[in-house]
Amino acid sequence: GDSVTQMEGPVTLSEEAFLTINCTYTATGYPSLFWYVQYPGEGLQLLLKATKADDKGSNKGFEATYRKETTSFHLEKGSVQVSDSAVYFCALGSNYQLIWGAGTKLIIKP
Amino acid sequence: DADVTQTPRNRITKTGKRIMLECSQTKGHDRMYWYRQDPGLGLRLIYYSFDVKDINKGEISDGYSVSRQAQAKFSLSLESAIPNQTALYFCATSDLSGGGYTFGSGTRLTVV
Repeated sequence: GDSVTQMEGPVTLSEEAFLTINCTYTATGYPSLFWYVQYPGEGLQLLLKATKADDKGSNKGFEATYRKETTSFHLEKGSVQVSDSAVYFCALGSNYQLIWGAGTKLIIKP
Repeated sequence: DADVTQTPRNRITKTGKRIMLECSQTKGHDRMYWYRQDPGLGLRLIYYSFDVKDINKGEISDGYSVSRQAQAKFSLSLESAIPNQTALYFCATSDLSGGGYTFGSGTRLTVV
């Protein structure tokens, strides 16, 4: 069945460092792909999405490109801030639900 | 007011007790979902509903039941709570595209 694999955390970076969180997927067809973010004590929020191959989703300085050839949707940010500390989830859209990765905790140190 | 409201935010209950978690939404979405979040396991789907008359089991429905009282309300019940149901529970809604979900703030349930 469809599945999502993302890199294990926690990922610890210094402020202004470059961020990459890897996400790969297996799926039949051409699903939509999503990144969600969960700040401490809160629910998940949609960060960005891409609906077809080569689409780039972007929001709040984060970017991810839908790569069909490598079945990947890696999350990147050029310069992280302490306020980016959160748990990030990659997800794949099937017909009626989202298939979730396990989440990657990101810790940004000042 | 939040788009998706879950009550209670926190609950401690005893093994064997019946408990209901409630969810209401103002998004006007037809689709509603209940998820469970455990550390390191991401989110797992318990039940989902595409409209008031459509209820479906998800990945981990055993031990849970749901009721869709109206388009805006979707409640989750644990008929006889057990300790391994201790988790963070989220309600979510989506539009017909099934794309961007809106989540509630979660209910932290502890079964002792």
